[in-house]
Amino acid sequence: EDKVVQSPLSLVVHEGDTVTLNCSYEVTNFRSLLWYKQEKKAPTFLFMLTSSGIEKKSGRLSSILDKKELFSILNITATQTGDSAIYLCAVEAVQGAQKLVFGQGTRLTINP
Amino acid sequence: NAGVTQTPKFRVLKTGQSMTLLCAQDMNHEYMYWYRQDPGMGLRLIHYSVGEGTTAKGEVPDGYNVSRLKKQNFLLGLESAAPSQTSVYFCASLMVQGYHTDTQYFGPGTRLTVL
Repeated sequence: EDKVVQSPLSLVVHEGDTVTLNCSYEVTNFRSLLWYKQEKKAPTFLFMLTSSGIEKKSGRLSSILDKKELFSILNITATQTGDSAIYLCAVEAVQGAQKLVFGQGTRLTINP
Repeated sequence: NAGVTQTPKFRVLKTGQSMTLLCAQDMNHEYMYWYRQDPGMGLRLIHYSVGEGTTAKGEVPDGYNVSRLKKQNFLLGLESAAPSQTSVYFCASLMVQGYHTDTQYFGPGTRLTVL
């Protein structure tokens, strides 16, 4: 059975701190790993990772994938209160319909 | 473009009642999905569709039915609602071009409470 596990489930830090969110997976026929940010409503796309060792970067956020050890990390530097959200990791297996398997999410709270 | 829209935004049902959630997308996407999100459990796939007239079961399909009569619409039905179906429901759509896949685009969600 395909499985995605995120850690920690919850994290509270102060503004300006750097955080690392973890995502490990066990999926048959891996195709890609995606990170989403979810504030009050719909998840919004952050990154799609398909190759090991290639960092994807967007402003203060970055992510990398390790296909040998089956995990990914999402880093956020110089955190701001607007980074407070649930961060979801999802893995796509090659099954013909891009079915995503989601982790439980990490609830990140940034205190001023 | 409105993207992915869902109606209604909120609904309260009594046990045993039925209802239909509507998802609409104006991006001409082939694939559409219905998820439910419960606290601490991420999103779980209920049903999905890879094209007009086709549907398939996801991870948690029991108690739900779906239909995709038009490419732009994906309906999720609850025939006899149960308290265990209290959840937030998200619809998503996806454009696929050969092997390349884009990200799924999510609707704003429907919060359903079954008493």
